Amino acid sequence: GNSVTQMEGPVTLSEEAFLTINCTYTATGYPSLFWYVQYPGEGLQLLLKATKADDKGSNKGFEATYRKETTSFHLEKGSVQVSDSAVYFCALSDRSGYTGANSKLTFGKGITLSVRP
Amino acid sequence: GAGVSQSPSNKVTEKGKDVELRCDPISGHTALYWYRQSLGQGLEFLIYFQGNSAPDKSGLPSDRFSAERTGGSVSTLTIQRTQQEDSAVYLCASSLVVAGGLGDEQFFGPGTRLTVL
Repeated sequence: GNSVTQMEGPVTLSEEAFLTINCTYTATGYPSLFWYVQYPGEGLQLLLKATKADDKGSNKGFEATYRKETTSFHLEKGSVQVSDSAVYFCALSDRSGYTGANSKLTFGKGITLSVRP
Repeated sequence: GAGVSQSPSNKVTEKGKDVELRCDPISGHTALYWYRQSLGQGLEFLIYFQGNSAPDKSGLPSDRFSAERTGGSVSTLTIQRTQQEDSAVYLCASSLVVAGGLGDEQFFGPGTRLTVL
């Protein structure tokens, strides 16, 4: 079955540091890949996505590139801020046999990022 | 517009009792998902409804868990004879599925925190 593996956490960084959160996946076919974020006291929300190999998703200064050859989707940001402190989840989506569209998400364990001033 | 809403936000119950959790998806969204988030297991898929198709129940952990979606809108997740290991945050998500569409964003509700004593 499908699976997503994220690096172990938590991660603590100083403001303006470079961030990399590793994510690798196992899947049959051609899944779409996502990063979701959960800020303290808030619900889960989509951060960025990529739907095919070599696609780069980006949002709020974060980027991730869909690497089929290494089955990876690592999240990066050049300069983190205190407001980036949150839990980050890597996920992949099955493809529905009925609609051909994405369906249920398989998540990694999540990693807690704390950014100190 | 309104997002995904869930009720109750918190539920405390005694072992052996039945509970019902409700999800109101975003109006017009054809797909509805239930997940649960627990410390030990991370985020797990439970069940997925898409239009008039038979639901994908592959993530339900036991036959004590069931869900229905009435009129293609509101969904109820029922847990019978609750056990302590059912304690978790139950998340509902919805998305607008377009046939062949990729990267469809799932919008998550705030969750219901279930505590089984």
